[in-house]
Amino acid sequence: QSALTQPASVSGSPGQSITISCTGTSSDVGGYNYVSWYQQHPGQGPKLMIYDVSDRPSGVSNRFSGSKSGNTASLTISGLQAEDEADYYCTSYTTSSTLLFGGGTKLTVL
Amino acid sequence: EVQLVESGGGLVQPGGSLRLSCAASGFSFRGFWMTWVRQAPGKGLEWVANIEEDGNEEYYVDSVKGRFTISRDNAKNLLYLQINSLRAEDSAVYYCARGRASCSATSCYTRYIDYWGLGTLVTVSS
Repeated sequence: QSALTQPASVSGSPGQSITISCTGTSSDVGGYNYVSWYQQHPGQGPKLMIYDVSDRPSGVSNRFSGSKSGNTASLTISGLQAEDEADYYCTSYTTSSTLLFGGGTKLTVL
Repeated sequence: EVQLVESGGGLVQPGGSLRLSCAASGFSFRGFWMTWVRQAPGKGLEWVANIEEDGNEEYYVDSVKGRFTISRDNAKNLLYLQINSLRAEDSAVYYCARGRASCSATSCYTRYIDYWGLGTLVTVSS
């Protein structure tokens, strides 16, 4: 099964907003409201940022938000900060009772 | 505090085997699905396997079916991944993670992963 499609890289200046897309199919992203997003800084394990498309775990800044339209989910980060520079991964439940990750997006804060 | 600590990684020759372990603490281990995710050097994350709370259901990514086995010991709060017939492409950091699932009358759905360990490195090389 192919990975969900994410842009390889995005960038933005401090204070700006950016959006990372995550495109799948009707068998995964489009078929279930079980999309989640993870942040990974170099040398560290991933951290959950968004679950069930748009819910935020406690402790995660409200600058992070998620949405979905059809087969594409999106992660938006508003008021970019230097500490947001990291790799971001989406994932979705699939009809095969498995989890499918996106290829990852490197966010650069200019 | 939820803690997941992996161990058992190392250097192994192609065709060899390893058993990875994950010690869980800070939560009721028997009440959660558990997951293994791997990340090859410089690459993205790849889901490897899930196991439901009682250990009666397991799911695997196609590339490891028949070679990897996920299991758990709820009495000891331990998660395992037995990896056999290792290939160079299995070289990766293997993360233990806690899954959050929802179940209907007929199916369970792994919705997301909420806690991750720091990982253990498996290197397959001659």
